[in-house]
Amino acid sequence: DADVTQTPRNRITKTGKRIMLECSQTKGHDRMYWYRQDPGLGLRLIYYSFDVKDINKGEISDGYSVSRQAQAKFSLSLESAIPNQTALYFCATSDLGTSGGNEQFFGPGTRLTVL
Amino acid sequence: AQSVTQLDSQVPVFEEAPVELRCNYSSSVSVYLFWYVQYPNQGLQLLLKYLSGSTLVESINGFEAEFNKSQTSFHLRKPSVHISDTAEYFCAVSAGFGNEKLTFGTGTRLTIIP
Repeated sequence: DADVTQTPRNRITKTGKRIMLECSQTKGHDRMYWYRQDPGLGLRLIYYSFDVKDINKGEISDGYSVSRQAQAKFSLSLESAIPNQTALYFCATSDLGTSGGNEQFFGPGTRLTVL
Repeated sequence: AQSVTQLDSQVPVFEEAPVELRCNYSSSVSVYLFWYVQYPNQGLQLLLKYLSGSTLVESINGFEAEFNKSQTSFHLRKPSVHISDTAEYFCAVSAGFGNEKLTFGTGTRLTIIP
């Protein structure tokens, strides 16, 4: 079984709809991240969380919110989706015990299309 | 703050030829450096990393990268590529132990020509 899972894997929605992307991990890591990937732009950090009570904005947090429901779960929400949020979204985890917390482990991604 | 530059967005290479994917970084502090690989329709996987010690690091599938502090580079090389190496490669930097935020480059798409 995969250590980092994301649901759904693909989603098509309409402008203005609320969307939630979910991430679960069985690695026991305390740090979790959400990125979006766009062609030619690489990965950009949306939000990150170092433990259940810690939430931090990344470089492109506008239009997104997150919830850390448990150590193993980190959800990303788009309150009112817009077409330029069409992208590939990745969840990742890390732990201080692995390369000082710098090595991140990625889920398979969620492809989101906003029409 | 750190930044990463991957100048080549696409690199086509004939099978069994050598390849170099370039990565330059900027940082005011000591860094950790990573190469991640993304195969088609998959997530990112760690290919290799430099944390400290030997400046030449290797992966299990024949890639290597050398940390060059004076040139602020961490170029990825392979002496002979295979079709299975077709993927997108991302260089990433972080500011060392306990600083878990990675800054990624824009990626280099490696295409192997049979």
